[in-house]
Amino acid sequence: EAGVVQSPRYKIIEKKQPVAFWCNPISGHNTLYWYLQNLGQGPELLIRYENEEAVDDSQLPKDRFSAERLKGVDSTLKIQPAELGDSAVYLCASSHTFHNEQFFGPGTRLTVL
Amino acid sequence: GDSVTQMEGPVTLSEEAFLTINCTYTATGYPSLFWYVQYPGEGLQLLLKATKADDKGSNKGFEATYHKETTSFHLEKGSVQVSDSAVYFCALSTGAGSYQLTFGKGTKLSVIP
Repeated sequence: EAGVVQSPRYKIIEKKQPVAFWCNPISGHNTLYWYLQNLGQGPELLIRYENEEAVDDSQLPKDRFSAERLKGVDSTLKIQPAELGDSAVYLCASSHTFHNEQFFGPGTRLTVL
Repeated sequence: GDSVTQMEGPVTLSEEAFLTINCTYTATGYPSLFWYVQYPGEGLQLLLKATKADDKGSNKGFEATYHKETTSFHLEKGSVQVSDSAVYFCALSTGAGSYQLTFGKGTKLSVIP
């Protein structure tokens, strides 16, 4: 069974540019999470989807970050415009439901110059 | 709010040495406790978990016991191998059956031959 797929794995951009990350969860997983992992820190939840509905986005900085999960499968996380402080690893995870183990993708490492 | 505190890394051990990584937590209610491992270039993987006081989680030679009195969940392994080199994250979730995770900062382990 394929795991959680994320792309790109690495992204380098200039500040003020837009950037997007893509996540394909494990087939059949209804719950999808986006996490932010700063260097030397543990992951912090940005947003959780149940199917196509964002049910917890309280930690998402909505002035520059947006996310979508069309058709309740793939998801995209966008930053516009990016700032230097956004340099981090963005992790996607999925689970069958909210009450099940999360499986993590390898992450996208973003560097903002 | 909920929080997890792990011992500072990095930790460097010789092969076959004994490993302990300390983890303590603060939480309302009765959390479930987890250890995740992140190998270089990969996503986080669930290593073991414990859902109630005095439970012992174990996997791949690693063990951790849920101590409610001391609010601790220390990770141990009797004889580490080079392949155990990774970053280890302690995490908790609160709410019945919830997998809403709060992570510690992670502890990097390097095992040398």
